[in-house]
Amino acid sequence: GDQVEQSPSALSLHEGTGSALRCNFTTTMRAVQWFQQNSRGSLINLFYLASGTKENGRLKSTFNSKESYSTLHIRDAQLEDSGTYFCAALSSSFSKLVFGQGTSLSVVP
Amino acid sequence: AQTIHQWPVAEIKAVGSPLSLGCTIKGKSSPNLYWYWQATGGTLQQLFYSITVGQVESVVQLNLSASRPKDDQFILSTEKLLLSHSGFYLCAWSLEQYEQYFGPGTRLTVL
Repeated sequence: GDQVEQSPSALSLHEGTGSALRCNFTTTMRAVQWFQQNSRGSLINLFYLASGTKENGRLKSTFNSKESYSTLHIRDAQLEDSGTYFCAALSSSFSKLVFGQGTSLSVVP
Repeated sequence: AQTIHQWPVAEIKAVGSPLSLGCTIKGKSSPNLYWYWQATGGTLQQLFYSITVGQVESVVQLNLSASRPKDDQFILSTEKLLLSHSGFYLCAWSLEQYEQYFGPGTRLTVL
């Protein structure tokens, strides 16, 4: 079935540095969403991409549907960026959003 | 103004007791609605979706049921809770099959 493999599972960054998260898809996906889950459990929408690249402040995301992957780049990390990041892919099946396992990001001074 | 509201915020229930969780969407006409479940420390799993009043499709069987009695309301329920039902339940909406937006969630503890 549809699966999403997200890496890394955990990441620690010093303030001001950056890194990338990646999701690989086992089947062709129509679109991808990236979320940040905060300590209360709320899911904050970061990006929705059907293709290409989007940028918002210190975050940039790319979705390559042909090669079945998506990335989320974080630059100049801040303490408030800490949390769990999820990618989720919209499958060809109607309205099914398949989540990756999440990346626990910790930004330290 | 909050578009999506979930109730209750949290519940502590006994095994075998009934459960009803609710979700209301304001300001959106005929949204698609979804229920998700997240085990503690785990990922999110889609449970149900609905594209119109009275119509609900099951994605994963977890001994739960869902109903959509009104265009803006989505209900998740069961007559007998299991320990495995503990977790975080999130409702989401989208316009047609596009970007999904999530509610604040309900944290359920089954003892």
